[in-house]
Amino acid sequence: SQQGEEDPQALSIQEGENATMNCSYKTSINNLQWYRQNSGRGLVHLILIRSNEREKHSGRLRVTLDTSKKSSSLLITASRAADTASYFCATEGGGFKTIFGAGTRLFVKA
Amino acid sequence: DAEITQSPRHKITETGRQVTLACHQTWNHNNMFWYRQDLGHGLRLIHYSYGVQDTNKGEVSDGYSVSRSNTEDLPLTLESAASSQTSVYFCASRLREGDNEQFFGPGTRLTVL
Repeated sequence: SQQGEEDPQALSIQEGENATMNCSYKTSINNLQWYRQNSGRGLVHLILIRSNEREKHSGRLRVTLDTSKKSSSLLITASRAADTASYFCATEGGGFKTIFGAGTRLFVKA
Repeated sequence: DAEITQSPRHKITETGRQVTLACHQTWNHNNMFWYRQDLGHGLRLIHYSYGVQDTNKGEVSDGYSVSRSNTEDLPLTLESAASSQTSVYFCASRLREGDNEQFFGPGTRLTVL
């Protein structure tokens, strides 16, 4: 069963625009992570936010977490063609098992 | 540099055959995982291990087995391959439970005819 559900399933934007992806989950978590997957490659970890944190930044990435709404968002600012990839949220709860969502496919047009 | 590798990268096999996918990591991580990735499902956990001689079933473990005889390797075996096991398989590792990232291998694309 999927814990994280990403929204939208696909997103197409112009280079330079911001991209926002959302993730909703169902049960309590210890942390939430975002990963990127380029076509034909494995996943690469982007950022982790703990359940007691509300916002976190890493370069052009901004992640927010609202545990009352069981939701998170990933914002990529000033997007580049190289940001074209699939983005997955992953939640870690009791038992330290990580559950991945189905992902958002981002396409950045040059 | 430490890394995690998978072999083979591509495999075609026939229904009923036994298949073993290799995963090797040089991070010296205790935790290792096997996932399968199918369109519309994201990654689903097959088996995982928290250390040598430790193995646990994940969400979709039926038809799969793993063994952990050393820290570096976690081979995944399909006992009798089925067409429903056609998928892309990813191995991952991490240092410890909680609060840290998983490092993923490049994946193995398996086709069962």
